[in-house]
Amino acid sequence: DVVMTQSPLSLPVTLGQPASISCRSSQSLVYSDGNTYLNWFQQRPGQSPRRLIYKVSNRDSGVPDRFSGSGSGTDFTLKISRVEAEDVGVYYCMQGTHWRWTFGQGTKVEIK
Amino acid sequence: QVQLVESGGGLVKPGGSLRLSCAASGFTFSDYYMSWIRQAPGKGLEWVSYISSSGSTIYYADSVKGRFTISRDNAKNSLYLQMNSLRAEDTAVYYCARVNYGSPNDWGQGTTVTVSS
Repeated sequence: DVVMTQSPLSLPVTLGQPASISCRSSQSLVYSDGNTYLNWFQQRPGQSPRRLIYKVSNRDSGVPDRFSGSGSGTDFTLKISRVEAEDVGVYYCMQGTHWRWTFGQGTKVEIK
Repeated sequence: QVQLVESGGGLVKPGGSLRLSCAASGFTFSDYYMSWIRQAPGKGLEWVSYISSSGSTIYYADSVKGRFTISRDNAKNSLYLQMNSLRAEDTAVYYCARVNYGSPNDWGQGTTVTVSS
């Protein structure tokens, strides 16, 4: 199975400041169709997960533009340009390229 | 709007069985792949299984293969997960999700499965 490794696992941030989460895969996530199926999810406390980003850099409907995704191959990043209080929660990367989907361990974002 | 409502969770003894259901509405169910994802207490997300729109293509995580069976009834707009030979490590919240652009997009609220004697 493809192993997804996130860092850091805990991220204290100051309101209004940027934040960045890294995700690395143990194999390339480029699929035979040329797409890279790397996704980011947010799970706020007590809620179901919500997808923020699909195929590396595409924001889902309703996702604020302060969230952005980038990367290629095996290295990917989720950035929050200016953290707001509602961004507190756990963030997961997930690969859908290889048929056994796998998630990263999660990064807990909290306010300092 | 898309709505996914899971049901069927509960307390079951090790070795027992449960059948989870997911009622879908707000979209053309038969057009979409669907998936089950679980989350053990205090842990991260674990993909369990997914099924193609017609039901002809199915994949399972190694941890559940041979014990769990995913199925769907497009006429009833419903997704199912038959869980047999349950173990303590299957204790989790089970989420139903619609797959869009190759990954779970819309998620239900989850149903809790507890395996304990």
